[in-house]
Formats: sequence, C-alpha cells, structure tokens
Amino acid sequence: GDSVTQMEGPVTLSEEAFLTINCTYTATGYPSLFWYVQYPGEGLQLLLKATKADDKGSNKGFEATYRKETTSFHLEKGSVQVSDSAVYFCALCLNTGGFKTIFGAGTRLFVKA
Amino acid sequence: KAGVTQTPRYLIKTRGQQVTLSCSPISGHRSVSWYQQTPGQGLQFLFEYFSETQRNKGNFPGRFSGRQFSNSRSEMNVSTLELGDSALYLCASSLRTPNTEAFFGQGTRLTVV
Repeated sequence: GDSVTQMEGPVTLSEEAFLTINCTYTATGYPSLFWYVQYPGEGLQLLLKATKADDKGSNKGFEATYRKETTSFHLEKGSVQVSDSAVYFCALCLNTGGFKTIFGAGTRLFVKA
Repeated sequence: KAGVTQTPRYLIKTRGQQVTLSCSPISGHRSVSWYQQTPGQGLQFLFEYFSETQRNKGNFPGRFSGRQFSNSRSEMNVSTLELGDSALYLCASSLRTPNTEAFFGQGTRLTVV
C-alpha cells in the first residue's frame, strides 16, 4: 500500500550544523510530496512542497527535491537554528477517488545553542 | 483570514462513553480531513469529507464516524470509547487538489480514563 518512511529521531544537532532528514515513499500513481512541521503545542503547518519529479521545494532555508527514481524527498538545511527545534513530517497526497494524505512517523529535531 | 478551528481543545472521557469533536474549516475550503496522532502510531488518516460526503476512509473501526454539514463544518464521533483512543485528533481543511497544502487546526486532545 501507499506509505511514507522517514528516519527515526530524535535528531540532536548543534546550532549552525547541517541537517538531513531522510524520507522515502511508496505510492501508486504520482503523488505530491510535502514536508510539514509541528512546533510544540501547535498543529502542523506546511514547510515546503513539490508536485512533480525533479521539483525542488524550499522555505525558510529548508530544501527538498522530488526524486522519482529513488522515490525520495529528503529534507535539508545548511545551518539549523534553535528555533528549528520541532517535529518534521514527510507526507504524500494522492487522488484515489478521494484525496488522502499519508504521513511519515515524524522526526523530532532538537537544536542546541 | 481565520484558520481551522477545532473545539474543544481538551476532553476527558470515561471508557464506554461517546464523544463528538468539531472542526470549522477555513472559509472557502470544502475538503475536511481528520487524523489521529499518537506517540506510538504517529499521524494516521481517519477520513476525508467533501461536499457533505465521505470520499476516503482510513483503517479505523466503525466506532469512528464523521459527517460534514452544508457550511463545510465537520464533526467526528467516537462511540464506545477505549483507553487506546486517547490521542490528539487533528482536522485539516484544503481546496481539495493534491497539489495544495492542508491547513491544520491545533487539535483536540482526548484522554480516555
């Protein structure tokens, strides 16, 4: 079935370190791909998205490229800040008659000053 | 513009009771989806409603049901509550295309005792 697999956390980094959170997916058809972020005590909010192969989504210094050949959508940031501490969710959205968004398990990121 | 509003924010119920959660989507959004978030299972899709009809359903027992009204507001009902139903229930609204983001409410924290 359709699914999203992302690296387990927590991930702990020092400020200004490089971040990669891996995400791979399995889907029938051609999904759109998303990264959502959940800050403590809040709901999820969209971080970035890509709707077709080779698209690069970017926002707030974060980037991810839709790689159809490897079915991946890894999240990267060159220099993390303490304020980036949150849970990051990779997700895909499919139209299967109805729209369904499937989320990965989430990766908690802690950034130390 | 107002965001997605979920009420109540917190609920405590006893095993065997039933509960109704409410979600008001962003104005103009006709698609409403519900998710259950738990530490062990992550974010799991419950169902999606569009134009008062359930369009897609996740793998949850029949105790979980929902409906959508003509103004796009949605309710989710859980009957015969079990301890394992304790979770954060998130509602998301969207314009219902696979390329557009879902906007999430802050969730309803349900505790079953």
